Amino acid sequence: KAGVTQTPRYLIKTRGQQVTLSCSPISGHRSVSWYQQTPGQGLQFLFEYFSETQRNKGNFPGRFSGRQFSNSRSEMNVSTLELGDSALYLCASSATWADEQYFGPGTRLTVT
Amino acid sequence: KNEVEQSPQNLTAQEGEFITINCSYSVGISALHWLQQHPGGGIVSLFMLSSGKKKHGRLIATINIQEKHSSLHITASHPRDSAVYICAVRGVYGGATNKLIFGTGTLLAVQP
Repeated sequence: KAGVTQTPRYLIKTRGQQVTLSCSPISGHRSVSWYQQTPGQGLQFLFEYFSETQRNKGNFPGRFSGRQFSNSRSEMNVSTLELGDSALYLCASSATWADEQYFGPGTRLTVT
Repeated sequence: KNEVEQSPQNLTAQEGEFITINCSYSVGISALHWLQQHPGGGIVSLFMLSSGKKKHGRLIATINIQEKHSSLHITASHPRDSAVYICAVRGVYGGATNKLIFGTGTLLAVQP
């Protein structure tokens, strides 16, 4: 089985722009979660989706949004980028909410 | 105080040594994960456990639900074990959720 894939792997954006990151889960997995990793804050939960429904959201501003499609692929969007949004964005998939999560390689976002 | 605390933050060991990393948490949980992250690399899930003990090769994870404590042991450590080890808990929020709360990680360096 192919693992979790994330595109793009690296991205450089300018303050004020918006960005869309994509995550394709392992085939058959219906749960996708997104996480942000920074040197200062470590790993923080962003969103969780299951069968196209957002089940939970972390403490991030409304500039961070996401969605899940009927094929379980998920996207997250960050609007009006700030320097502090520079981070590694990871998604993880699992069969259901209760199962082990498998992480993708991440998208490294740099905001200049 | 963080909901998930790990110790030590940094650990240097000689090849062959027995290593223990500890994780304490303050919230009710449905599962606890041990994750491994190599420098510049993605995250690999080592264990997901909700009770007792699990073993994969040279790695052993234990959890004591009553004491809200888990340990990750590495026997016969090897330089390739050098990585950041992260403890994460899946809390109980009154509903099904895959949201993880992460510890700050333990940076392990195993010297030959």
